[in-house]
Amino acid sequence: DTGVSQNPRHKITKRGQNVTFRCDPISEHNRLYWYRQTLGQGPEFLTYFQNEAQLEKSRLLSDRFSAERPKGSFSTLEIQRTEQGDSAMYLCASYRGGGMYNEQFFGPGTRLTVL
Amino acid sequence: QQPVQSPQAVILREGEDAVINCSSSKALYSVHWYRQKHGEAPVFLMILLKGGEQKGHEKISASFNEKKQQSSLYLTASQLSYSGTYFCGTPDNTDKLIFGTGTRLQVFP
Repeated sequence: DTGVSQNPRHKITKRGQNVTFRCDPISEHNRLYWYRQTLGQGPEFLTYFQNEAQLEKSRLLSDRFSAERPKGSFSTLEIQRTEQGDSAMYLCASYRGGGMYNEQFFGPGTRLTVL
Repeated sequence: QQPVQSPQAVILREGEDAVINCSSSKALYSVHWYRQKHGEAPVFLMILLKGGEQKGHEKISASFNEKKQQSSLYLTASQLSYSGTYFCGTPDNTDKLIFGTGTRLQVFP
């Protein structure tokens, strides 16, 4: 257990529906990253927050995706009008910051299946 | 820009050794290593820094060759629990990790 939780762990939805995932990071960590991982590939960066500010978004994050981190605590990732190509594992990572010597702690992930 | 790992897959018997390489096309300042089991999240193994400093796992060692822009992970006397996919990750200037192509390791009794 890394101390990072994600809910739900699995989500099956029909194409066109909206879904929302939640990530609860380690409380004293001010950075939170979202990654997406498809079968056989490494995680790919989606977006990250420094406290409540969203500082960077990947080009992978289309306008159907939105993320928030209110009050710099938990974060949500919403996908609107889901497509089959959105099927993947969505991972969040909690990070203390402060340089390259600190590791990112990954949550267990939310596996999304779009039918 | 994605680091390239080799080999793509390794099959071992318990007790055998393996080396996994991670090569980058750009200068490396640190390399993070993670192991991921099927259906689970990546688990941190270790960090190597330019200059040779390491932080992480007691039973797994690694090296960092700045000139070659490469890191190698050494798994000695492998155990069944070592099975999984190994990823190297290189942080960029915002500390997001750029993960490598992955190496799948299977250890059999």
